[in-house]
Amino acid sequence: AQKITQTQPGMFVQEKEAVTLDCTYDTSDQSYGLFWYKQPSSGEMIFLIYQGSYDEQNATEGRYSLNFQKARKSANLVISASQLGDSAMYFCAMREGIVTGNQFYFGTGTSLTVIP
Amino acid sequence: DADVTQTPRNRITKTGKRIMLECSQTKGHDRMYWYRQDPGLGLRLIYYSFDVKDINKGEISDGYSVSRQAQAKFSLSLESAIPNQTALYFCATTPGQDSLEQYFGPGTRLTVT
Repeated sequence: AQKITQTQPGMFVQEKEAVTLDCTYDTSDQSYGLFWYKQPSSGEMIFLIYQGSYDEQNATEGRYSLNFQKARKSANLVISASQLGDSAMYFCAMREGIVTGNQFYFGTGTSLTVIP
Repeated sequence: DADVTQTPRNRITKTGKRIMLECSQTKGHDRMYWYRQDPGLGLRLIYYSFDVKDINKGEISDGYSVSRQAQAKFSLSLESAIPNQTALYFCATTPGQDSLEQYFGPGTRLTVT
C-alpha cells in the first residue's frame, strides 16, 4: 500500500485565489510527522510546512496552512492568495516514528499552475 | 555557502560505466539519505544512513551502493549504469530521530545513454 497518496496530478488556480492540495497517508505508528515541499522548475526541494501527529492545532506558515484530519489520515495543504511564483510541483511527505524506522516517504506530487 | 552540496550537478554517462555521486553536508547531521526522482513517481528512497556505521537499504537499492566516509559525506555509486537509472538524484540530511524536516541538496541530474 502507498504510504502517501496525492490524487491530483495537476491543479490550476486563479491568481489571488486559495487552493487546496490533497494528501492522504497510511501508517500504523502513533508518532509521525507530515511535511509539504515545493519543487519549482529549477529542481530544488523547498520545505514549506510541518505537522506533528500529536499537534492539536493545524500548522500555519504565512500563506501556507496544513489541514490535518487525523481520523481521516489526511494532511491537505492550503495555499491562500495564490501568486504566480507558487507555480511548482508540491510533494507531501511523512516521517514515520521509531517503531517503523524513522524513514521518510513521499507522494507522487501535484503540479500547481497559477493563472494570471 | 549551501549546507548540503552534491557533485556533480549534471552528468551524462554511458551504459556499463561506474559512476559516483557525492554528497557533503556542513550541518553536523547524523542522518543522510539518497533519493531518486522520476517523473510521476515522486521521490523514492535508495539508501539511508543513521551514522557512519549504520547503512540501510531503502525502497529501491538494487543496482546502487553507498559509502558513508564520514559524518559529513555520503556517496552513492552505480557500479554499472543502465539507462533506467536516468533520473534526478537528491541527497538529504536530518539531525536526528525527532527532526522536523529533511534538508535537501540541489540534486544531480544523471543521464545514462
